[in-house]
Amino acid sequence: NAGVTQTPKFRVLKTGQSMTLLCAQDMNHEYMYWYRQDPGMGLRLIHYSVGEGTTAKGEVPDGYNVSRLKKQNFLLGLESAAPSQTSVYFCASSLTDYSTGANVLTFGAGSRLTVL
Amino acid sequence: AQKITQTQPGMFVQEKEAVTLDCTYDTSDPSYGLFWYKQPSSGEMIFLIYQGSYDQQNATEGRYSLNFQKARKSANLVISASQLGDSAMYFCAMRDLTRAQGGSEKLVFGKGMKLTVNP
Repeated sequence: NAGVTQTPKFRVLKTGQSMTLLCAQDMNHEYMYWYRQDPGMGLRLIHYSVGEGTTAKGEVPDGYNVSRLKKQNFLLGLESAAPSQTSVYFCASSLTDYSTGANVLTFGAGSRLTVL
Repeated sequence: AQKITQTQPGMFVQEKEAVTLDCTYDTSDPSYGLFWYKQPSSGEMIFLIYQGSYDQQNATEGRYSLNFQKARKSANLVISASQLGDSAMYFCAMRDLTRAQGGSEKLVFGKGMKLTVNP
């Protein structure tokens, strides 16, 4: 039972390079999210998706793009990486229990990205 | 807009003692949910406990309980009988349930606080 899998776990980029982070979940969850975590800032939502084929902007979307072509996958792209995008990126997925309102996120292990 | 505030940057507690981690929140919506997550040094995010705004009783999960004071807009996490493995970052988070019914699913996190359990 893999849960949420993120690849790659580590990556070093040069300014201006592009890359894609892949998130895959095997729990049939409708909702998927990309967060970034920076020291002293907590987790900030970049983009999220409420279902296959849909995406929406979060709190800090600039410089990122996402796609959800398949329900189980949520891709985060950096078209032209900048040093300010050096961070730890977390993917998460969830299924809302509308009887309680609980929407417990299951997180991936994180991807550490360094932009030089 | 929703906001979560965790003012304690770090706390120290002796093993086997209880500890309270503070969380205050701000929202204008009547229906919301509050969460606590733990992040050990290994980096993964672990769900601990959930409290709905209309829940009559404070949530409990094993050694974790949530001291929910709606009028004060606080949702403090209480860890009883601390263990060395409780040393970690702890994050409070909130989800707006009113908007969620319209399809928006967002969880807003606080900045976190670091708990160190001493032997």
